[in-house]
This record gives sequence, structure tokens and C-alpha cells, in this order.
Amino acid sequence: GDSVTQTEGLVTLTEGLPVMLNCTYQTIYSNPFLFWYVHYLNESPRLLLKSSTDNKRTEHQGFHATLHKSSSSFHLQKSSAQLSDSALYYCALSRNSGTYQRFGTGTKLQVVP
Amino acid sequence: DAAVTQKPRYLIKMKGQEAEMKCIPEKGHTAVFWYQQKQSKELKFLIYFQNQQPLDQIDMVKERFSAVCPSSSLCSLGIRTCEAEDSALYLCSSSQKGQGGQNTLYFGAGTRLSVL
Repeated sequence: GDSVTQTEGLVTLTEGLPVMLNCTYQTIYSNPFLFWYVHYLNESPRLLLKSSTDNKRTEHQGFHATLHKSSSSFHLQKSSAQLSDSALYYCALSRNSGTYQRFGTGTKLQVVP
Repeated sequence: DAAVTQKPRYLIKMKGQEAEMKCIPEKGHTAVFWYQQKQSKELKFLIYFQNQQPLDQIDMVKERFSAVCPSSSLCSLGIRTCEAEDSALYLCSSSQKGQGGQNTLYFGAGTRLSVL
């Protein structure tokens, strides 16, 4: 079945350094939709960005990700981490129809001064 | 503020007791999903409804949970007999049209269940 892998459980960064959170996926479906959700403490998880277009950069709130079907990846990046970016980040996969969104195990991003 | 409302925010049950949590999806959304999050880990899919009908669920839900959406504005998730392993944050989410595709999930703040 479909699956999403986020290899880092915890990423600790100093403020100002670049962020890269890894996400790879497996699916037999040729046109998957990939999502990044962010879950701040004591808030509801919410969408950060999404994409279904191969090799096209998607940006939102300073974060960006590019879907690479050749490597089945959708890594989340940001040029400069801020303290307010500290949160839990989930990568998720969806087909066009027929199934629910499958989430990875999540990566906790901790940005320190 | 979340457009999806979940109640209660916190629930404490003894092992063997029944638990129930409710969700009011965002207005106009026809799909409702329940996920379980343990120790800030993976969001584990439990069950989803389309137009109030259950369309997919995992075996654990079939065996020990009860889930219904009696109306388009109210869904509930119940656990018939709570076990320690059920301690988790239960997140309800809703989306337009249906599951799949690029439909964004909108989450509630969750119900945190603690089973003692």
C-alpha cells in the first residue's frame, strides 16, 4: 500500500540556519498529491503547502517544497529558520480518489536561539 | 481558531470504561476523517465518512470503536471498552467534496484521551 517516510523524528536548528525536512513516499499511483501540514503546540494541524506537479516549486509562508516523482520525494525547505517555526511537521500523500490521506510519522522541528 | 470543533478537549477514563468524543465538521464539508496521534507520532487513520456514510475504516475501529455521523453537522467517535493503548490525541478533520485528490484536510484541536 501507499506509505510516507519521514526519517527525522527531531531536528534541532539554530535560528537563522536553513531548514530541510525530508519526505519520501511510495505509491503505485502515477499522480499523487503531496502535502505538508504543520502542527503547533496546542493548536490544530493545518496545511502548509501541497503539490501534485512534478518538478514545480511550491511556496507558502517562507517554506517551499518541490515534488520529484523520479525520486519520490517532497522535502520541505526554508532558507532561514525562525523561533516561531518550532512545531511538528507532517508529510502526507493522497491519490486522486479512493483513499484517505496517509501521513508520515512527523518531524519535530526545534529552533533555538 | 479551528473551523472544526471537537469536544471535549480532555477525557479521562478508567480501563474498561466507555468513551465518546464529538466533532462538528466545517460547514459545507462532506467528508469527515478521524485520526489518532500517540506521543506526537504518526497520524494514524481510523475511519472516514462521506456524506455521513462510513466508507473506510481500520480493523481496530471495526472491533472496538463505534463511529457515526448522524447529521452533516455532527459526528462522534466512541470506544466501547477503553484500554491503556487507546490513550492518545484523537483528531477529527473534514474536507470538501471527498477524500483523495488535493482536498485539504481541516483539523479540529483534538480530544486528548487518557486511560488510567
